Amino acid sequence: QVQLQESGPGLVKPSQTLSLTCTVSGGSIGSDGYYWNWIRQHPGKGLEWIGYIYHSGSTYYNPSLKSRFTISLDTSKKQFSLKVMSVTAADTAVYYCARGSYQFLYVWGQGTLVTVSS
Amino acid sequence: QLVLTQSPSASASLGASVKLTCTLSSGHSSYAIAWHQHQPEKGPRHLMSLNSDGRHFKGDGIPDRFSGSSSGAERYLTISSLQSDDEADYYCQTWDTGTQVFGGGTKLTVL
Repeated sequence: QVQLQESGPGLVKPSQTLSLTCTVSGGSIGSDGYYWNWIRQHPGKGLEWIGYIYHSGSTYYNPSLKSRFTISLDTSKKQFSLKVMSVTAADTAVYYCARGSYQFLYVWGQGTLVTVSS
Repeated sequence: QLVLTQSPSASASLGASVKLTCTLSSGHSSYAIAWHQHQPEKGPRHLMSLNSDGRHFKGDGIPDRFSGSSSGAERYLTISSLQSDDEADYYCQTWDTGTQVFGGGTKLTVL
C-alpha cells in the first residue's frame, strides 16, 4: 500500500526559499496515470491546491498562485519536491503531498507544518 | 468559474446519521467530485468519488456507514451510525482544466 511522507525544515526566514520533499513508499513513482500533488492549508483555513507533477516531468500549477512555486521529481529516490521562493508569513501553512489521478486525489501524506518567521 | 460550496459546520448525535452537501457552481452540475475526511492532526483521507448519477466508488477500507448520492448540482455524503472519530472536517474536491478545486470544508461535530 502506497504511503507518502513529507519532510522539510519546519521554520524558514522571510525572503528565503522553502524546500519540501515527499517520499513515496510501497509503490512506484514512475507509473503511468499518477499525478503527484502538493496542497497546503493555512492556519484555520481550508485546503489550497498548489500543483502537480506527472511522471513524465510535466507540471501544472494553480493559476491563482503567483509563480513562486516549482515542483520537481526524482524517480531514482522515489521523491518529489516543492520549492517556494521568496517566502513571506502568508506561506505559513501545513503542506501536504498527495497522489492522484487527473481527476481526484487518492492518497495523502500526513503533512508538515512550515512556519515563516525571522 | 468552478466553485464548490459547503456549509461551514454540521452536527449530529452519536449513533445518528448526517448528510453533508457540496454544491457545484452554475454550469458544472455534471461534474463528479471526491469526498475527503480530515481528522485533527492527521492527513486527509480519500473517502469516495461520486458521479452526477449518484454512483460512488469508495476508497479501500472505507466503512459501509459512508455513502454518497447526487441530485442536480448537489453532491451528498451521508454518514450513518455516527461515531466519535467521525468528528472531522469534510472536503469535497473536483477538477477543471487540470486544476484541482476544493470546497471550503464542513466541520462535523458529533454530539
